[in-house]
Amino acid sequence: EVQLVESGGGLVQPGGSLRLSCAASGFTVSSDYMAWVRQAPGKGLEWVSVIYSGGGTYYPDSVRGRFTISRDISKNTLYLQMNSLRAEDTAIYYCAKAGGDSSSWLRWFDPWGQGTLVTVSS
Amino acid sequence: EIVLTQSPATLSLSPGERATLSCRASQSVNNYLAWYQQKPGQAPRLLIYDASNRATGIPARFSGSGSGTDFTLTINSLEPEDFAVYYCQQRSNWPPAITFGQGTRLEI
Repeated sequence: EVQLVESGGGLVQPGGSLRLSCAASGFTVSSDYMAWVRQAPGKGLEWVSVIYSGGGTYYPDSVRGRFTISRDISKNTLYLQMNSLRAEDTAIYYCAKAGGDSSSWLRWFDPWGQGTLVTVSS
Repeated sequence: EIVLTQSPATLSLSPGERATLSCRASQSVNNYLAWYQQKPGQAPRLLIYDASNRATGIPARFSGSGSGTDFTLTINSLEPEDFAVYYCQQRSNWPPAITFGQGTRLEI
């Protein structure tokens, strides 16, 4: 069974850092395209980062330069390093496995982890 | 950047009725559109991918249609567990980007 389990969320002060983890089972994170998606309280879904199977990483303007997505092949785990955190980064963070094929990736996301809550507040 | 606009924002229906949810893209996304269902306190669940393909385990009452810029999610004969928030999603090839619609809340 393909499964994702996030951890590492918590309360952090503005300007602080946090690293989220996403442990995968049933597949190899290094062979797939993976993403982080967040959801602020009561709001919709927002893409945060993606990592391609070849290692390329991409971010929206809202987090570029502050967030870094990475993976550990030996632990089959995806990470999100978040620096210079702001109040507006407060959200539930989900990791998700991307679907598609060589013609086009990121066409859908399945499965998703259960999410981990990050609260940025003094 | 491609913008996805979902309508209506809220849809009020009764069990047994048919729900029709719309997602419009600001430019063509071919048929690369996905639909998700999210219930309170849960992660999103993939329903439909590539506009019209049901994901594994999704009941046949859920169907997707459309191409280009206009897409529809139809739920036939609503069940009590179908009342949730629904999101559409697309991706841009270059630069790589993912966008979601703002969601449609389906309420009893």
